[in-house]
Amino acid sequence: AQSVTQPDIHITVSEGASLELRCNYSYGATPYLFWYVQSPGQGLQLLLKYFSGDTLVQGIKGFEAEFKRSQSSFNLRKPSVHWSDAAEYFCAVGAIGYSTLTFGKGTMLLVSP
Amino acid sequence: EAQVTQNPRYLITVTGKKLTVTCSQNMNHEYMSWYRQDPGLGLRQIYYSMNVEVTDKGDVPEGYKVSRKEKRNFPLILESPSPNQTSLYFCASSGAENTEAFFGQGTRLTVV
Repeated sequence: AQSVTQPDIHITVSEGASLELRCNYSYGATPYLFWYVQSPGQGLQLLLKYFSGDTLVQGIKGFEAEFKRSQSSFNLRKPSVHWSDAAEYFCAVGAIGYSTLTFGKGTMLLVSP
Repeated sequence: EAQVTQNPRYLITVTGKKLTVTCSQNMNHEYMSWYRQDPGLGLRQIYYSMNVEVTDKGDVPEGYKVSRKEKRNFPLILESPSPNQTSLYFCASSGAENTEAFFGQGTRLTVV
């Protein structure tokens, strides 16, 4: 069965500092990987996705993620965090058709002045 | 505008009173799913559907029913809600392989 681990429940980053959110997955075949963001009281917005090809994926809002098969990881990065990035971030792994999209438990990002 | 629409957005109900949360998508997507989100547990899949009249259980199906009579609609039915079903519910849809999943805005359900 597939699973996703986000080791950090909360992370606090100073505004303007760099950010890395960790995600490790377990999946028997080539995974489809996603990062979603959820602002308070809002639904989930897709930040980026990886299916195949280049292992460094660019997304919206200046985010990027790198797929490392050898480490079963798909970490999310941003060079300079803005206060508006404060939200909860979810990593997810999917099968064909997304019928079995499995989410991690989320990492809450707090941005300090 | 491509969207997934859930109704209602907020619902307070009493134990045992049947309720339905509707979900509709306008993207002609084959795949639709229901998730519940609970603090510290992330999102867990309740049911999913790969096409009309094709549904299957997700990770936490107990206490829920779904139907897919039309491609665009995927209602979630709680025949006899209990307090442990108090949660934030999301509907999602996606098309063929290699397309993203679109999520509705969520339905916050409280069962008292």
